[in-house]
Amino acid sequence: GAVVSQHPSWVICKSGTSVKIECRSLDFQATTMFWYRQFPKQSLMLMATSNEGSKATYEQGVEKDKFLINHASLTLSTLTVTSAHPEDSSFYICSASSQEGSTDTQYFGPGTRLTVL
Amino acid sequence: SQQGEEDPQALSIQEGENATMNCSYKTSINNLQWYRQNSGRGLVHLILIRSNEREKHSGRLRVTLDTSKKSSSLLITASRAADTASYFCATDENDYKLSFGAGTTVTVRA
Repeated sequence: GAVVSQHPSWVICKSGTSVKIECRSLDFQATTMFWYRQFPKQSLMLMATSNEGSKATYEQGVEKDKFLINHASLTLSTLTVTSAHPEDSSFYICSASSQEGSTDTQYFGPGTRLTVL
Repeated sequence: SQQGEEDPQALSIQEGENATMNCSYKTSINNLQWYRQNSGRGLVHLILIRSNEREKHSGRLRVTLDTSKKSSSLLITASRAADTASYFCATDENDYKLSFGAGTTVTVRA
């Protein structure tokens, strides 16, 4: 089956620093990638949708200048949390789809746990 | 935005028993999916049911969909300790975006 990886799996950083999280589709080309955030004991909330080669579309309430998304190739999308603060501590999960405009074929990464001190 | 609501929020059962959880949603959908998440891990896709389907099976899983009531249920039969996890339903909002329910945490006691 299709595999999506995330790196790192966990990261601890100091307040004010920036953190980059990578999402890779290992055995397929991902037309679209999605970034979700999950707080403890809560559901996944979609943050943004990115298509290869174009700007990401952010959900309402998500600051695009704080959460920079780059989908530079069909197998890699990155999420950079800029000037991270403790309230940004969360579990970040990406998913990748090989079919534009379809929810059938979204494959999820294992997640990245970010802790900001 | 979160469309689905699940109940119960938490469920504790004995190994071998069945576990049933429900999901309700607000808008019309093309499909509904169920996922499992073990603590601190990513999502595992369990089953997808399309809007024109009423019931679907996969191993020990049975999913029903009632579009008139905008609800779905997930039944896990003969539960095992390894089924301990959080279960989420997800609907396709705006055609390509998934909207997740709040989740049901299932604990299977040995």
